[in-house]
Amino acid sequence: GAVVSQHPSRVICKSGTSVKIECRSLDFQATTMFWYRQFPKQSLMLMATSNEGSKATYEQGVEKDKFLINHASLTLSTLTVTSAHPEDSSFYICSAIRDPATEQFFGPGTRLTVL
Amino acid sequence: EDKVVQSPLSLVVHEGDTVTLNCSYEVTNFRSLLWYKQEKKAPTFLFMLTSSGIEKKSGRLSSILDKKELFSILNITATQTGDSAVYLCAVRNRGSTLGRLYFGRGTQLTVWP
Repeated sequence: GAVVSQHPSRVICKSGTSVKIECRSLDFQATTMFWYRQFPKQSLMLMATSNEGSKATYEQGVEKDKFLINHASLTLSTLTVTSAHPEDSSFYICSAIRDPATEQFFGPGTRLTVL
Repeated sequence: EDKVVQSPLSLVVHEGDTVTLNCSYEVTNFRSLLWYKQEKKAPTFLFMLTSSGIEKKSGRLSSILDKKELFSILNITATQTGDSAVYLCAVRNRGSTLGRLYFGRGTQLTVWP
């Protein structure tokens, strides 16, 4: 299957700082990338859908000024958590698709801990 | 509101047992249903189902979709400890955001030796 990478895999930061997470499709061009958040023992919650060269579409309840998404190319999307607070601590996962009719390929996830 | 419901939420079995995981859904303009396995990290893809009644198999895993009754099952035969994971069901519709998935909460499967 296709490979999606995320960087960093784990980050610990102080409250009030901003954290950038990268998502890359390594061996294919992704028409669309998705950002999810997962709390312990919970399912994946879609935060936003990102298409290259256009503004991301955010799910209801997700603050777009807090979770900045930049989809600079067909292989790279970034999620920046601005002014992070402890309640933003979570597991952030991205996924990418080649074709809307096929499966999503997930990155390994980034565990964010805000102190 | 579109939703995906999985049951049971948690299941504990011994090696060699057969398990059946359930996923029911209410999604407008259904397109496909996907099963994923999630261990410590991100989900890995298992199956994608689009047509009713056609069983998909991969080794000891199999899955089938019933579009009339709006559910799918995932079977695992002769379970092994390595099957311990959260199994996620997700549904895709034909909505404006192509490719978007709606996930269920998952079934936590634990296989004891």
